[in-house]
Amino acid sequence: SAVISQKPSRDICQRGTSLTIQCQVDSQVTMMFWYRQQPGQSLTLIATANQGSEATYESGFVIDKFPISRPNLTFSTLTVSNMSPEDSSIYLCSVEGSGDEQYFGPGTRLTVT
Amino acid sequence: GQNIDQPTEMTATEGAIVQINCTYQTSGFNGLFWYQQHAGEAPTFLSYNVLDGLEEKGRFSSFLSRSKGYSYLLLKELQMKDSASYLCAVRELNSNDYKLSFGAGTTVTVRA
Repeated sequence: SAVISQKPSRDICQRGTSLTIQCQVDSQVTMMFWYRQQPGQSLTLIATANQGSEATYESGFVIDKFPISRPNLTFSTLTVSNMSPEDSSIYLCSVEGSGDEQYFGPGTRLTVT
Repeated sequence: GQNIDQPTEMTATEGAIVQINCTYQTSGFNGLFWYQQHAGEAPTFLSYNVLDGLEEKGRFSSFLSRSKGYSYLLLKELQMKDSASYLCAVRELNSNDYKLSFGAGTTVTVRA
């Protein structure tokens, strides 16, 4: 199984600021995914990040709001830009394992005040 | 797109069996996953079905019928630690990308 770490684990941010979340994997992976889980809800895919290409965003999510970097096969960042209280959520990084399973990082709990 | 439906809540007694059903509608079906998520933690992988039939893994089993767009997760010999949210997720293949979409989750409460 892949071991995934995320930084920060949690943060409290002011409205209008931006936060960059880092995701590090202990092995090389082609596809990395970013999800959001709002309080009491299930996971929603924000975007898929493949190394060497532009991230693919899901409906309702745009690059200006959630820019993503994927500089190599073990690392990615997600930035939440110009934050508002509605962005308060858990943000999770995910990768595909060597089989067909998908593994999740521990998540970043973001509170916007 | 996809619609993934599963019950919101289920309650069962320690030692009993609980079956969590999941129905889905999707194009480009490429597998169905079950995840367990304890409060405040990330989801952990439980099972994966891509062909019809039953997959057994210890106390947990998962079943898939692709023609019916139906799956269930069976939890046997329930323990208190099984109290968690169980997420049904469907993987679709669109063009050259996979996408995993999640149901809203079923909160299972195990009572003594």
